[in-house]
Amino acid sequence: EIVLTQSPGTLSLSPGERATLSCRASQGVSSDYLAWYQQKPGQAPRLLIYGASKRATGIPDRFSGSRSGTDFTLSITRLEPEDFAVYYCQQYSKPALYAFGQGTRLEI
Amino acid sequence: QVQLQESGPGLVEPSGTLSLTCAVSGGSITSDNWWSWVRQPPGKGLEWIGEMFHRGDINYNPSLESRVTLSVDKSKNQLSLKLYSVTAADTAIYYCARMPYFYYSMDVWGQGTTVTV
Repeated sequence: EIVLTQSPGTLSLSPGERATLSCRASQGVSSDYLAWYQQKPGQAPRLLIYGASKRATGIPDRFSGSRSGTDFTLSITRLEPEDFAVYYCQQYSKPALYAFGQGTRLEI
Repeated sequence: QVQLQESGPGLVEPSGTLSLTCAVSGGSITSDNWWSWVRQPPGKGLEWIGEMFHRGDINYNPSLESRVTLSVDKSKNQLSLKLYSVTAADTAIYYCARMPYFYYSMDVWGQGTTVTV
């Protein structure tokens, strides 16, 4: 079973700054199988990134995803007020299992 | 565009069965997408429950597999979730979501429905 560990638990930044969120897999994960979501209070999650680095439809280009080994990163350049939310990474592992990280809260 | 709407009882008795449906509009449930259920306990993170394809292929989270059944009603263009022998630990917001082929992720979500045990 692959376990995803997100860090930090909480990230405090100001609008206009850059955010870097990390998601570490306990074992090798294909880049094809890693996604990032944003969730605001009272709302369903929203897909931001799939395939580790592909932006979902309608997602601004200030959101980007990357990978280094078993570490995946979600970067948000020039934070906007609406970007402050909880972010989850999610991975797929064969034969058919999806798991989420515990989340990173991005706060002002 | 595709929209998903979950519905079902908001309150279920302990040891009872939780039954939810997810109505798909703006698209067909027989399209090339998998459909998933995800839940979120109050104040906590996301847990994947299972996925299904309209042809009958189904995969469950091993931690819930013994208590859950997913099904699809093509005539109504909707999905169904049944979770048996529920306890307070099953109290959560339940979401259905679309998973396009080869995305391995969920690109359209319902608004979620809250179920309290």
